[in-house]
Amino acid sequence: EAGVAQSPRYKIIEKRQSVAFWCNPISGHATLYWYQQILGQGPKLLIQFQNNGVVDDSQLPKDRFSAERLKGVDSTLKIQPAKLEDSAVYLCASSYRDRDRAFFGQGTRLTVV
Amino acid sequence: KQEVTQIPAALSVPEGENLVLNCSFTDSAIYNLQWFRQDPGKGLTSLLLIQSSQREQTSGRLNASLDKSSGRSTLYIAASQPGDSATYLCAATNTGNQFYFGTGTSLTVIP
Repeated sequence: EAGVAQSPRYKIIEKRQSVAFWCNPISGHATLYWYQQILGQGPKLLIQFQNNGVVDDSQLPKDRFSAERLKGVDSTLKIQPAKLEDSAVYLCASSYRDRDRAFFGQGTRLTVV
Repeated sequence: KQEVTQIPAALSVPEGENLVLNCSFTDSAIYNLQWFRQDPGKGLTSLLLIQSSQREQTSGRLNASLDKSSGRSTLYIAASQPGDSATYLCAATNTGNQFYFGTGTSLTVIP
């Protein structure tokens, strides 16, 4: 079974630039999550999709972050403009349905300089 | 809001030793609790998931227990190996869907 795919693996940008991350969940998984993990901390949920609808985006900084999940499959997370404090690993995860066992991708490590 | 705490933050043990990792949560109205492993530079791997109606789950050398009334879960690793070295995270899921993660325990197993 193919896992959750994320790209790119690493990204370095200057502050105020924009960046986009891509995630392809496990086939058939209806629920997709984006998490932000700052060094030394546990992952924090940014947004959760159920198919192509948003279930929870209460912790997404909507003035600079946006996410979409077209056709209920792939998803993209965008940051515009980036700030220094956005430096973190961005993890995508999927599950067959919400609250099921979650499978994570390898993450995208973002460095904002 | 659910708060999840993991103690200790770091643990170092000699190979072959049995060990216990602790996870505490403040809101006992959880739907389930998952234990994950994270290797450096990698994503998270789900190890065990315990439903709120269950007391424990086992997978190989791993055993996870759940005590909702006391707000605690433990991950027991038997006969530890150097390959077990990683960061272990627990995550509690409330009825509101979201996983609440602890900050993890960094485990080093010394050969």
